[in-house]
Amino acid sequence: RKEVEQDPGPFNVPEGATVAFNCTYSNSASQSFFWYRQDCRKEPKLLMSVYSSGNEDGRFTAQLNRASQYISLLIRDSKLSDSATYLCVVKSTNAGKSTFGDGTTLTVKP
Amino acid sequence: DADVTQTPRNRITKTGKRIMLECSQTKGHDRMYWYRQDPGLGLRLIYYSFDVKDINKGEISDGYSVSRQAQAKFSLSLESAIPNQTALYFCATSEKTGWSEQFFGPGTRLTVL
Repeated sequence: RKEVEQDPGPFNVPEGATVAFNCTYSNSASQSFFWYRQDCRKEPKLLMSVYSSGNEDGRFTAQLNRASQYISLLIRDSKLSDSATYLCVVKSTNAGKSTFGDGTTLTVKP
Repeated sequence: DADVTQTPRNRITKTGKRIMLECSQTKGHDRMYWYRQDPGLGLRLIYYSFDVKDINKGEISDGYSVSRQAQAKFSLSLESAIPNQTALYFCATSEKTGWSEQFFGPGTRLTVL
């Protein structure tokens, strides 16, 4: 079993749709959680950190469920520019290194 | 100017050749990382360094070596390249704190024939 697992998709949605991505992790010692966005052939960039209380940034909402070892990302009112691969990242603070999921690909269509 | 730079950006080489990929950063971060990414997969950690005197193996270090020449420079070497090392390689940096973001270089696309 992979340490971080994501639904690979692809997710194909129309503009304006709401879409949710899920991610599960197996290491209960994990302490920090992130969503990164990666455009085709480009470097990953931080989209948002995922805090225990959940957090929201505009159309994006991230939630963490430590008991179920589960992270989610919700995108509301999808835009064409949201088309990308979304990477779930889990970090064990003690080890100081991050583990990446394989990513979920989103395509938003007109 | 980019905060994290990688050279070369693209490289085609032959099996058995020694290759060095270089990474430089101007962010002043102590922590640096090398990842590889294969099509349809996430990033896998090759090596990481928490300061100039610290080098650690990641999950796929076999066939690779690194050198941390200075706080700002972290090089990845393939001593004898093989075709299954064909991949996209990313360097990244971060601060020490647990919630710190990783900043990535633009990547090096390596093809081993």
